[in-house]
Amino acid sequence: DAGITQSPRHKVTETGTPVTLRCHQTENHRYMYWYRQDPGHGLRLIHYSYGVKDTDKGEVSDGYSVSRSKTEDFLLTLESATSSQTSVYFCAILEGSEQFFGPGTRLTVL
Amino acid sequence: GESVGLHLPTLSVQEGDNSIINCAYSNSASDYFIWYKQESGKGPQFIIDIRSNMDKRQGQRVTVLLNKTVKHLSLQIAATQPGDSAVYFCAEISGGSYIPTFGRGTSLIVHP
Repeated sequence: DAGITQSPRHKVTETGTPVTLRCHQTENHRYMYWYRQDPGHGLRLIHYSYGVKDTDKGEVSDGYSVSRSKTEDFLLTLESATSSQTSVYFCAILEGSEQFFGPGTRLTVL
Repeated sequence: GESVGLHLPTLSVQEGDNSIINCAYSNSASDYFIWYKQESGKGPQFIIDIRSNMDKRQGQRVTVLLNKTVKHLSLQIAATQPGDSAVYFCAEISGGSYIPTFGRGTSLIVHP
């Protein structure tokens, strides 16, 4: 699993509340990614990071922000959660040319 | 676990059969392709990759074929087992980026 953990694994929240998801890796990988996965859409990139304090947007970045103040942690924040952000969120790292994914976080926004 | 199988193409096979999962890609500049397997409740897992200067690559029980003329990728699984039941995704990468573009996936169901 390339030492990737995600927390929390499950969360239920209400519309309008802020939510932060954490991705933690233990192997000093430079590239980290946040994806969301929804039925019929496959994996869609939200944001990615190519180093500490270096981040960029993916194809579905609206409504999300990220931060990477340490190599090992990549945080995804929903400033004001909406029902359309109900999804399964996966973090990934890049090792060589291969991505390794975390176990996922199921987020439900009521 | 997390449900990702809804609305996906599905391939049903009998245990022991060979399976072929197909993927069409759109970017003719893509130069690297990857197949992932995702079991229920887990994140995607790398299976095999192929570069655009190849048309075939074999792994253990899996073979990937690349046809650049028609922009088509396939994953062949020999002697399919119940443990192969999962969703399979292809992904393409172009131009030296580290950002794969994923396909929607195919759900493989193996009947004992």
